[in-house]
Amino acid sequence: GQNIDQPTEMTATEGAIVQINCTYQTSGFNGLFWYQQHAGEAPTFLSYNVLDGLEEKGRFSSFLSRSKGYSYLLLKELQMKDSASYLCASTDSNYQLIWGAGTKLIIKP
Amino acid sequence: IAGITQAPTSQILAAGRRMTLRCTQDMRHNAMYWYRQDLGLGLRLIHYSNTAGTTGKGEVPDGYSVSRANTDDFPLTLASAVPSQTSVYFCASSVTSGGVGEQFFGPGTRLTVL
Repeated sequence: GQNIDQPTEMTATEGAIVQINCTYQTSGFNGLFWYQQHAGEAPTFLSYNVLDGLEEKGRFSSFLSRSKGYSYLLLKELQMKDSASYLCASTDSNYQLIWGAGTKLIIKP
Repeated sequence: IAGITQAPTSQILAAGRRMTLRCTQDMRHNAMYWYRQDLGLGLRLIHYSNTAGTTGKGEVPDGYSVSRANTDDFPLTLASAVPSQTSVYFCASSVTSGGVGEQFFGPGTRLTVL
């Protein structure tokens, strides 16, 4: 079957680092996406990994291991505005995105 | 118009009524998508269109229909609404299909079926 798993909720402290993990089992892998979604708003794109390794983009980095079906999103120097849900997504056999349920990240001062 | 828009923003609908959710993009993207988002379940694909004139079924298509008469518009119709269709509906678009590239999302329509 096809499945994407990520933790339901995480809590971190302002200024710290947090890693959000995602494991996936999909039949038409064409890359791994991370999106950010603030409460009551639409998802917005953060990153896309298609090759193994780490992609860095400012305070956010994303890692992919295709052999392990595993990705993580690393957020550094956390700010209160980073409080949001983080959605992991990959492709199915029709090359359409399937989505994890999202990880709600709570940032405390 | 800038990006992707949806209408209405929210709607309360009696069960059994017909409803069309509108979606328009001005980015000339080839691919468009309709998702529903329910608490604890994440985004689920209802229907998609890889290019104008074509549509396909996603994970949860039952009770919904779409059309793609031109590049810009991708309406979603509920022929006879049921309470289980209460959800937040997001329309999205991307330059190409095939699961590559960023998807851009509209602001969403919050639909309540009573």
